[in-house]
Amino acid sequence: DAKTTQPTSMDCAEGRAANLPCNHSTISGNEYVYWYRQIHSQGPQYIIHGLKNNETNEMASLIITEDRKSSTLILPHATLRDTAVYYCTLKIGETSGSRLTFGEGTQLTVNP
Amino acid sequence: SAVISQKPSRDICQRGTSLTIQCQVDSQVTMMFWYRQQPGQSLTLIATANQGSEATYESGFVIDKFPISRPNLTFSTLTVSNMSPEDSSIYLCSVEDLSGRHYNEQFFGPGTRLTVL
Repeated sequence: DAKTTQPTSMDCAEGRAANLPCNHSTISGNEYVYWYRQIHSQGPQYIIHGLKNNETNEMASLIITEDRKSSTLILPHATLRDTAVYYCTLKIGETSGSRLTFGEGTQLTVNP
Repeated sequence: SAVISQKPSRDICQRGTSLTIQCQVDSQVTMMFWYRQQPGQSLTLIATANQGSEATYESGFVIDKFPISRPNLTFSTLTVSNMSPEDSSIYLCSVEDLSGRHYNEQFFGPGTRLTVL
């Protein structure tokens, strides 16, 4: 069973920030939070990952709560091309071969 | 980041036949993974493939049904054997990049869309 839970779907207006929540209440100390997205009919695309500190890159920001039981992916200025299924996943450490286990994800629809 | 290609991109097959899917990476990678995505569902890991050793299969997947080869650090194949309509899915190859600024990121290929009649 997936160790993360996400809302099934969300809507966001173009140009506004999209905040996608994820619960991972049973996360282990050595598990990282990874976010991927999948645009229809394409392979998943890596977005960002983190352990306990907030992270930011050119695509998004990742906010992880202090107890690490939940996180939020933030797309600061959503565009129509950000419409996709967003997956929050956990991965053990930064060791080679540790597996990504995907939950059901959140279908984000960005509306004009 | 690693660039991954898969062949074929899609295929329509008859039940009882087998299909071999190829995954090619533009750089040497240690770990390669094969996933299945059934229609309207999330991704499920089939197996992990290391070069020079037997693939490690997840619960519910067996080598006889999904034999995997990993002859070198840039290539792998997944065969879907004795296919039935329930095998209709997108099959995705994934690699783990342990180099440079993309350390510990996992990248996915474009997928192979398989339809079994």
